[in-house]
Amino acid sequence: QQQVKQSPQSLIVQKGGISIINCAYENTAFDYFPWYQQFPGKGPALLIAIRPDVSEKKEGRFTISFNKSAKQFSLHIMDSQPGDSATYFCAASKANTGFQKLVFGTGTRLLVSP
Amino acid sequence: DTEVTQTPKHLVMGMTNKKSLKCEQHMGHRAMYWYKQKAKKPPELMFVYSYEKLSINESVPSRFSPECPNSSLLNLHLHALQPEDSALYLCASSHELGVFYGYTFGSGTRLTVV
Repeated sequence: QQQVKQSPQSLIVQKGGISIINCAYENTAFDYFPWYQQFPGKGPALLIAIRPDVSEKKEGRFTISFNKSAKQFSLHIMDSQPGDSATYFCAASKANTGFQKLVFGTGTRLLVSP
Repeated sequence: DTEVTQTPKHLVMGMTNKKSLKCEQHMGHRAMYWYKQKAKKPPELMFVYSYEKLSINESVPSRFSPECPNSSLLNLHLHALQPEDSALYLCASSHELGVFYGYTFGSGTRLTVV
């Protein structure tokens, strides 16, 4: 129930294309769904996050789509650039007060070819 | 200041050494975390401190000893480590109002045990 399943494991996209990464969760108590971007040798950096009261959130070229009934959410990267080449982790958590454990997906290695 | 600062960035230690990792944040976050990340894997939670008290220990071996001297500082003391403990050690902090208000990772300490 604590798992977050992420696919694909790796992804190659042409520059200017759309990158799509999918995640699915089981625990209906989760109500906070962030995406983290991680470059080699660096810590994960928050990219964008969503709560289940909205079905979509867009920040620049990055969009989260959320399907509460299917317990799925996805990251879309529009106009993908070589600088977007990194590992992306979806995660899930409860958003209530106090400390919270992030449950991470297994990660997707994205390579954007020039 | 919206950063979590970790020192050192790299550490090589022998199996009989004692060393410490340091983490500092000045965002007023009252929850602080240690994560361990192996290559090509998501971060795994090790410890959580909430209001300077240890709240979660994810069955971590005693050769890892966390300490939270004050609300801004988190240490991880290392002793008699094994080569399989080589990994990226990440510190994170989060807002007491909940993760939606901030959950930030540091850049990590790359630890190599020889």
